[in-house]
Order: sequence, then C-alpha cells, then structure tokens
Amino acid sequence: DGGITQSPKYLFRKEGQNVTLSCEQNLNHDAMYWYRQDPGQGLRLIYYSQIVNDFQKGDIAEGYSVSREKKESFPLTVTSAQKNPTAFYLCASSGRGTGELFFGEGSRLTVL
Amino acid sequence: AQSVTQPDIHITVSEGASLELRCNYSYGATPYLFWYVQSPGQGLQLLLKYFSGDTLVQGIKGFEAEFKRSQSSFNLRKPSVHWSDAAEYFCAVGATSGTYKYIFGTGTRLKVLA
Repeated sequence: DGGITQSPKYLFRKEGQNVTLSCEQNLNHDAMYWYRQDPGQGLRLIYYSQIVNDFQKGDIAEGYSVSREKKESFPLTVTSAQKNPTAFYLCASSGRGTGELFFGEGSRLTVL
Repeated sequence: AQSVTQPDIHITVSEGASLELRCNYSYGATPYLFWYVQSPGQGLQLLLKYFSGDTLVQGIKGFEAEFKRSQSSFNLRKPSVHWSDAAEYFCAVGATSGTYKYIFGTGTRLKVLA
C-alpha cells in the first residue's frame, strides 16, 4: 500500500545533540512537508519542498534543516540550535492537483 | 491575515447524539477546505474536503460538512456519534493555486460518553 513512513516513532535526545527524523513516501507526490505539533497549538509548518533539490522555510524553521535529494525522501534534522525541540513531528505529502495532505504516523522527540 | 479558528477546544457528547464542530476561516479567496481527524499519538487522516461545487460534502465515517461562504464557515457534522469517534479534529485551509502552504486550526478534542 502507498503511504508515508516516518521513523523513528519515538526518539530521545540529550541537549546539544542533533537528531534526524526520517520521512519516506511511495505515493509519487511532488510536495512534502514537515509540521510540528504541540498541545493546543495545532500544526505549525517547519519546511516544505515542492520538487527535488528545492525547499522553503515555513513559519518556524529556526533550529531545523532539511534536504530533498530524492523525490521519495525528506529528512528533517533538529539541530542543537532549536531551543525547545520536544514535540510531535509530522511529515506529509501532497500530489499535483489533489490539494489534500497525506500524513505519516509521526515521530515524538523528547529532549532529556 | 489568513487564519482558521476552531472555537471549541473540547466537546463532550453522548454516544448516539448528534455532533457539530465549528470552523471559521479568514482567507483572501475561496480556499480549499479540509477536515482531518487524529487519534492519540497518530498522524492525521482526511475526513473530507471541499474544493468547489456542492457546498455540502460527504466524507468518511459518516461525517459531512457544509461550506457557507457568507459566514466563512465549514462546520463538521455527524448525526449519530459512535464511541470510536473520540479523537481530535482539525479544520484546515489551503490555497487553490500557487503556494503549497496550508493553515490549520488548533483542533477540537471530542470526548464521547457511553
């Protein structure tokens, strides 16, 4: 079945460490997104990419980095510069013309 | 400014009762409109979407929503709630062209009483 796979589902990090969250899709979608979800704040856009080798900052990009070397993959790195990284991270994709977002199951990052 | 408002943070209904979740948006033009559902610790699943045409749209799991342009609203309804409907519901808007940015409401958490 087509879908979006995020890994790991749970991740613990010490302060000062960078961590990378994986996102892979086999839906042949052009656009991919990373959202951060905190209780009571809905979803906030971190980065999005419309095509390979191109991506744009979202509303809360500071302290995060991404790459889009392959159409299927859009990894997110949470750097040590992110002041409050503990959150639930959601990856999504959308196809040309369909409008709707398809989401992965999420990755929960906890900084110890 | 573009925004989506879900005025109810929490809603509690009895199983079998009807449900209406409110969503109001502020947008420069008629956007794409969506309702998503999220179970705890999971990703979001699309319930339904409105792009154009008939303002009453049907979705999965017996949900429907009505687009009212004059009220800038897109409320979600279900005639009879099941215990399995307990989850968090998000309303979202997206541009009809150009930007790939979507705006989400802050969500409404639904509790269902047996």
